[in-house]
Amino acid sequence: DIQMTQSPSSLSASVGDRVTLTCRASQGIGNYLAWYQQKPGKVPKLLIYAASTLQSGVPSRFSGSRSGTDFSLTISSLQPEDVATYYCQKYNNAPWTFGQGTRVEVK
Amino acid sequence: QVRLVQSGAEVKKPGASVKVSCKASGYTFTDYYLHWVRQAPGQGLQWMGIINPNGGSASFAQNFQDRVTMTGDTSTSTVYLELSSLRSGDTAVYYCARELFAFDIWGQGTLVTVSS
Repeated sequence: DIQMTQSPSSLSASVGDRVTLTCRASQGIGNYLAWYQQKPGKVPKLLIYAASTLQSGVPSRFSGSRSGTDFSLTISSLQPEDVATYYCQKYNNAPWTFGQGTRVEVK
Repeated sequence: QVRLVQSGAEVKKPGASVKVSCKASGYTFTDYYLHWVRQAPGQGLQWMGIINPNGGSASFAQNFQDRVTMTGDTSTSTVYLELSSLRSGDTAVYYCARELFAFDIWGQGTLVTVSS
């Protein structure tokens, strides 16, 4: 099975900072990569699919990119409401594996 | 609007089975696959399996192959997850999620607690 590895496991940044989270697939998955945001005690929310397509209603400060089997989620200007754990997920075929998550905190 | 509404929390003893429901509304039930994902306390998201509501075929993660059943009822637009031989490690929040460009709609989650 393809493994999804996220880094870092956690980070702390200031409001207004540019923040980049990374997800690496152990094999090629094309653009079948999604990013989810899960705030504490809440249901996961789809942010980005197809590696770089913003889900409707998601703020434009979120963006996604791909380089081979490496994927990135960037928050261009971190806001207090962005405190959450972010998960990547491959969805090209079974199993629909998630990364282990990156917890984002605000200093 | 498009919604997935799950059944309420459950408390089960080790060795028992649990059945969680997920009722869809606001869209054509048979047009989209549905998935089940679980999250143990303080842990990440774990994909469990997928069901095609149109016909009921299902596929499961290897970890759950011998303990999980997924079924659907088109008359009520509801899918069900049944997990048997429960153990303490199955204590988790169980989510259903619709597949459209990844998982675009999620149920509110059902907490299943396994405790003697």
